[in-house]
Amino acid sequence: DSGVTQTPKHLITATGQRVTLRCSPRSGDLSVYWYQQSLDQGLQFLIQYYNGEERAKGNILERFSAQQFPDLHSELNLSSLELGDSALYFCASSGLAGENRPGELFFGEGSRLTVL
Amino acid sequence: AQSVTQPDIHITVSEGASLELRCNYSYGATPYLFWYVQSPGQGLQLLLKYFSGDTLVQGIKGFEAEFKRSQSSFNLRKPSVHWSDAAEYFCAVGGPGTYKYIFGTGTRLKVLA
Repeated sequence: DSGVTQTPKHLITATGQRVTLRCSPRSGDLSVYWYQQSLDQGLQFLIQYYNGEERAKGNILERFSAQQFPDLHSELNLSSLELGDSALYFCASSGLAGENRPGELFFGEGSRLTVL
Repeated sequence: AQSVTQPDIHITVSEGASLELRCNYSYGATPYLFWYVQSPGQGLQLLLKYFSGDTLVQGIKGFEAEFKRSQSSFNLRKPSVHWSDAAEYFCAVGGPGTYKYIFGTGTRLKVLA
């Protein structure tokens, strides 16, 4: 158990819909990362938050948005869903490893999204 | 641009045989390098990491990796594979001043009894 909790574990929805994925980081971790894992794209970095502020952005579509709340949990919102958005969405959290190093990432078990 | 290449999509080895998974990276500064393992239906778990110092790093489950700057490589090795090692393995790169971890596309390991 990594200590990172993601809900829901599975989600099936239709094209055009909107869903929200939730992530609770490990206790004490200030950084939250979102990744998308699909068969043809591998593990793609979407976005990172640190203590409520956006810190880094990757290949995140404009239809997707995220935020980190004061209690440090994070939500990833996916809207106007398309078939190609079907994937496993991972949340990871990390603390600092010292000397401004990125800390080890602790991954949740993922939320599997199926868009029909 | 930062990137990670894992040239082997699938590898099959017999139980008890040695293993080497390849990872090449492109990074403009001193890299921080990681290997993660993903078992079916699970999230990714860190096997080992390299920040600086000794270029041969030891990890969990008997894995080790060697950082070779001249070859831009960080290959993962294990002297004797166990059936429970069957999983997907990801190499990742990060670095000072960046909070973006870049992952390779993964190598799926199959272990024959």
